[in-house]
Amino acid sequence: DQQVKQNSPSLSVQEGRISILNCDYTNSMFDYFLWYKKYPAEGPTFLISISSIKDKNEDGRFTVFLNKSAKHLSLHIVPSQPGDSAVYFCAAMLQDFGNEKLTFGTGTRLTIIP
Amino acid sequence: EPEVTQTPSHQVTQMGQEVILRCVPISNHLYFYWYRQILGQKVEFLVSFYNNEISEKSEIFDDQFSVERPDGSNFTLKIRSTKLEDSAMYFCASIGGRSTDTQYFGPGTRLTVL
Repeated sequence: DQQVKQNSPSLSVQEGRISILNCDYTNSMFDYFLWYKKYPAEGPTFLISISSIKDKNEDGRFTVFLNKSAKHLSLHIVPSQPGDSAVYFCAAMLQDFGNEKLTFGTGTRLTIIP
Repeated sequence: EPEVTQTPSHQVTQMGQEVILRCVPISNHLYFYWYRQILGQKVEFLVSFYNNEISEKSEIFDDQFSVERPDGSNFTLKIRSTKLEDSAMYFCASIGGRSTDTQYFGPGTRLTVL
């Protein structure tokens, strides 16, 4: 049951360049999407989110784009920094006032090359 | 900054034994979650909990699992009779309760069943 998919298990990007991480989903009921970052031996840390009523949300170096018709979202990090090296998880949910289980993708390991 | 804490960080147990994983959610949060991540796989939802009741549980959360909020601060996950396939990282998460509040995750407990 792969409702949220991240097809690239890993990505390497030169420091200072743009990192683009992609995520696809199949459940059209999802109405809120999030990106989490995870370091080894730590829990996922929230990065940025987007509601299905928007197509873009920006927070500093991070921008998330949502293409509802394609059921696709992407996370852009620019410029990439060595501290961005981590595993990035895309997650989706149906807003239900607190009972909002997250469905995660399999993650993409981003490595920023100095 | 408030954070979710989990104990122990690593638990080793024999197959068939009971384990209790503990979490202290952020103090004014109302909704609580358990997720797990088997090594190399995605983070999976186990159960959500609100007002001393389970709101939703996944297929993974069978009769061997139970959750409890025994006092005003702790939130526990009990596995009654552990199996080898229960070996995973278990993450607790909590949110305040407004729709689209982001879930804050704890650092996880690594459970190893021998």
